[in-house]
Amino acid sequence: EVQLVQSGAEVKKPGESLKISCKGSGYTFATSWIGWVRQVPGKGLEWMGIIYPDDSDIRYSPSFQGQVTISADKSIGTAYLQWNSVKASDTALYYCARHGRAGYSNSYFESWGQGTLVTVSS
Amino acid sequence: EIVLTQSPGTLPLSPGERATLSCRASQSVTSNYLAWYQQKPGQAPRLLIYGASTRAAGIPDRFSGSGSGTDFTLTISSLEPEDFAVYFCQQYHRSSTFGQGTTVEIK
Repeated sequence: EVQLVQSGAEVKKPGESLKISCKGSGYTFATSWIGWVRQVPGKGLEWMGIIYPDDSDIRYSPSFQGQVTISADKSIGTAYLQWNSVKASDTALYYCARHGRAGYSNSYFESWGQGTLVTVSS
Repeated sequence: EIVLTQSPGTLPLSPGERATLSCRASQSVTSNYLAWYQQKPGQAPRLLIYGASTRAAGIPDRFSGSGSGTDFTLTISSLEPEDFAVYFCQQYHRSSTFGQGTTVEIK
């Protein structure tokens, strides 16, 4: 069974750094694209970017390029989303999700993590 | 960037009724790279349809997808109580973007 388990909720102050994680299991982690999706509470879904863990090929949405960093460690089957300096506007629920089309950078998301709530407040 | 516009924003219906949800793209989504998701409160989205019309594993056949080019439709033939939720479309033709969602609520 494919599972994506995300790290727990975070509360940060503006300007702090943050790294959240997503551990995949039940499939070959290195050769499946995995992505991040933002959801502001009560709002819609925003595609942030994706990574191919085997060679760390990364594609960002123009809206998030330069705002976050996506990475992965295939040796431990874990993807990451990080910020150097969070802002109040980064307050949201962040989901990781696995591509359904094996090996393709353009795909729907077949499996989703449970979400990590990030709250940024002074 | 391809912008997806979903309509209506809210769809009030009763159990047993037919639901028709629209997703319109600002540019043609070739190869029908269009997916639909269902999201219930407090839960992650769940894949319903991909390739515009292929049901994901375990999805009941009351859910169907159709369309091509710039106009796509998700139809729920007869609403069950558990179908009242928010539905999102996603294009994965050029990069990827989501629609803003349609809420199917109990009338």
